[in-house]
Amino acid sequence: QVQLQESGPGLVKPSETLSLTCTVSSGSISSYYWSWIRQSPEKGLEWIGYIYFSGSINYNPSLKSRVTISGDSSKKQFSLQVTSVTAADTAVYFCARGPGDAPYPFEYWGQGSLVTVSS
Amino acid sequence: SYVLTQPPSVSVAPGKTARITCGGNNIGSKSVQWYQQKPGQAPVLVMSYDNRRPSGIPERFSGSNSGNTASLTITRVEAGDEAAYFCQVWDSSRGHAVFGAGTELTVL
Repeated sequence: QVQLQESGPGLVKPSETLSLTCTVSSGSISSYYWSWIRQSPEKGLEWIGYIYFSGSINYNPSLKSRVTISGDSSKKQFSLQVTSVTAADTAVYFCARGPGDAPYPFEYWGQGSLVTVSS
Repeated sequence: SYVLTQPPSVSVAPGKTARITCGGNNIGSKSVQWYQQKPGQAPVLVMSYDNRRPSGIPERFSGSNSGNTASLTITRVEAGDEAAYFCQVWDSSRGHAVFGAGTELTVL
């Protein structure tokens, strides 16, 4: 059974950088699409972007200027960075896996990591 | 960008049928996914590619998609089906996933 686990600071100051890592417990990380998705009461579910270790990264146009997704296949991890955060970036951040031939549907999800932006 | 419209809430008595809709411009030309989310938990995929049930999802769940409306239908509704349900498509023109705002299903 595929398990995903988000990790990272739960509190980030305004204007700083939010960093999260998703660790994949089993199976190949190279053969699938891996996404970051966040959820807040204000914006609902918002797809942030994906990494496909075999050769592509794609971002939500609305966040592209502030977001970087990277990965380390040897550690079976992928990461998210969001720069210049504001209170609007406060959300539960999920990592999720898509199938091998497309970034969706999101078949497996991590439990989520609450990130609060506050001074 | 592409917008998905869901009713905020649907209520149904146990044993009855619930239908949750997801509206979008020519959504019938897109592949629609549905996710169930219970409080404090991550979303769970309950329907993919309009009408494919993932392993472990009861046959009581079915999906359809045509024209400007996609639907998730739950027959013989149980108390355990009470949750928020979100539809999702891929906006190919902008290359990103889009989610509906969600529908809270209440089992009376």
